[in-house]
Amino acid sequence: QKEVEQNSGPLSVPEGAIASLNCTYSDRGSQSFFWYRQYSGKSPELIMSIYSNGDKEDGRFTAQLNKASQYVSLLIRDSQPSDSATYLCAGSFSGGYNKLIFGAGTRLAVHP
Amino acid sequence: EPEVTQTPSHQVTQMGQEVILRCVPISNHLYFYWYRQILGQKVEFLVSFYNNEISEKSEIFDDQFSVERPDGSNFTLKIRSTKLEDSAMYFCASTRGDGYTFGSGTRLTVV
Repeated sequence: QKEVEQNSGPLSVPEGAIASLNCTYSDRGSQSFFWYRQYSGKSPELIMSIYSNGDKEDGRFTAQLNKASQYVSLLIRDSQPSDSATYLCAGSFSGGYNKLIFGAGTRLAVHP
Repeated sequence: EPEVTQTPSHQVTQMGQEVILRCVPISNHLYFYWYRQILGQKVEFLVSFYNNEISEKSEIFDDQFSVERPDGSNFTLKIRSTKLEDSAMYFCASTRGDGYTFGSGTRLTVV
């Protein structure tokens, strides 16, 4: 059973701080990972994708992937109140354009 | 920026009725998906569709469910004889390989 695990939170950080979100997965055959942001009652919005070991940066966001440890993370620098949302980690396993398996999401609260 | 469009945004139906949820994927995408999210729970995979046929389906996607691409643009999810537990947000998604784009969802309420 392929699974993606996340701490449900809430993770509370002050405005301007770095928020660190973590995710582990069960299947070593995983290929691609995605971080989505989901505001309450809305659809998932893609923030970052990462396919190979190491770091990938896009603006205030950095995704990190460690396939040996089966671990994915998302760092949000200079956190803003508008970043307050649920962050979903998702994996696409076995290559190709396969289904995404989602974690339960981590709720992030950025307080002024 | 291209979008995945879903209609209706909210549908209320009586238990036992049939509903059709509609999606227009991004035009150059080839892979299409339906997911659902029961309130407070994970996003769950239902079915994937490629080259006019189902490529994978989950345990949830039983005989009550069907998908269709009736023309070159629409992608539909039909739920026959709805049950109370079918109440959820239903998301359509599509990809051409560099990230999966989700539609805004249809909130289905079965009463």
